[in-house]
Amino acid sequence: SYELTQPPSVSVSPGQTARITCSGDALPKRYAYWYRQKSGQAPVLVIYEDKKRPSGIPERFSGSTSGTMATLTITGAQVEDEADYYCCSTDSSNNHVVFGGGTKLTVL
Amino acid sequence: VQLVESGGGLVRPGGSLRLSCVASGFTFSAYSMNWVRQAPGKGLEWVSSFSGAGSDIKYGDSVKGRFTISRDNAKNSLFLQMNSLRDDDTAVYYCARELREPHGQGWFDPWGQGTLVIVSS
Repeated sequence: SYELTQPPSVSVSPGQTARITCSGDALPKRYAYWYRQKSGQAPVLVIYEDKKRPSGIPERFSGSTSGTMATLTITGAQVEDEADYYCCSTDSSNNHVVFGGGTKLTVL
Repeated sequence: VQLVESGGGLVRPGGSLRLSCVASGFTFSAYSMNWVRQAPGKGLEWVSSFSGAGSDIKYGDSVKGRFTISRDNAKNSLFLQMNSLRDDDTAVYYCARELREPHGQGWFDPWGQGTLVIVSS
């Protein structure tokens, strides 16, 4: 079955740039989406269609893709950005949604 | 725009449960809707989706044959009938609106607050 691979954890100091990667064979052909989930809360969309930012999401959040990898970048990470981040895309063999395993971002 | 789930609870292995999700603030019938779950301390797992136009339905492999998704557009409601429940179905179940057609692409916004299902004897 199709998999999206993320690092389990990323740690940065406040003000530094955090990069969270997501690897998947179909990413050159399918969009990547990114969700932020703070402890005890529902997920929130932070990036759609690889690099677009929904209204209300700070400009420090950006997305990019290169080949089979999608990257979520938080430029100047803040303590309030601490959360689990999930990438999401489509299994091109059956058009089913797939989530990455999630990355715990620590900002301290 | 809001989604509110209900129907979670404690159920014994082999039992059944029906989850509901009521939508407000948008034209419910125009959108595909999804169920996504999260086991305690684990990541997100897509469960099922129901297209807005027509009646295309998809299921994840782990629930196919046991769960049934349905919707009532007149009542702005999405449902998930869960049968033959197993311990590993224990999770918070979220409903989510899908913003891109055809469904199955992963653009979910918003999500409900979730409802907890515990399968245990």
